[in-house]
Amino acid sequence: AQSVTQLDSQVPVFEEAPVELRCNYSSSVSVYLFWYVQYPNQGLQLLLKYLSGSTLVKGINGFEAEFNKSQTSFHLRKPSVHISDTAEYFCAVSDLNTDKLIFGTGTRLQVFP
Amino acid sequence: EAQVTQNPRYLITVTGKKLTVTCSQNMNHEYMSWYRQDPGLGLRQIYYSMNVEVTDKGDVPEGYKVSRKEKRNFPLILESPSPNQTSLYFCASSLLRPNTGELFFGEGSRLTVL
Repeated sequence: AQSVTQLDSQVPVFEEAPVELRCNYSSSVSVYLFWYVQYPNQGLQLLLKYLSGSTLVKGINGFEAEFNKSQTSFHLRKPSVHISDTAEYFCAVSDLNTDKLIFGTGTRLQVFP
Repeated sequence: EAQVTQNPRYLITVTGKKLTVTCSQNMNHEYMSWYRQDPGLGLRQIYYSMNVEVTDKGDVPEGYKVSRKEKRNFPLILESPSPNQTSLYFCASSLLRPNTGELFFGEGSRLTVL
């Protein structure tokens, strides 16, 4: 069965610094990959997704992620974070054989002034 | 405005007292799902529905029931709540299959069972 690992439960960073949130998934023939963001006291919303095509995917709010098949990774990056990026970020993976979307345990990004 | 609406947003109840958390979406989505979010465990799927009158168990269905009598509504029923069901619950819907399309989430319902 497909699984997702987000190794960092918390990532503290200063404003305007770059950030990378790591996501690894278990190997599969074909996968679709997603990043969702959860702002405080809100539901999750889609940040970006990889279905096919270019391995570099751009999302909302200046975030991007790179699909790396050989390393089974889909790390999320932003070159310069803002206070407003403080939130919990969830990586999710699915495969083409099921209807399931498997979420990671989340990474809490805390941006300090 | 396109949205998924959950009620109540906050609820404190006692063990054994039946409760229902409602979920309604106005986007004509076929797929709907319930998740619970617990610290360190992320989101775990409770039940999902691919269409009206079609429901299936997710990863943690024990202690929960659902129904899908109308396309827009997908209530979550706790027949006899227990303290281990204290959690943050999210309803979600999507137009396409969830493994390809975007899931739209409600704002969450925080349930405490004493």
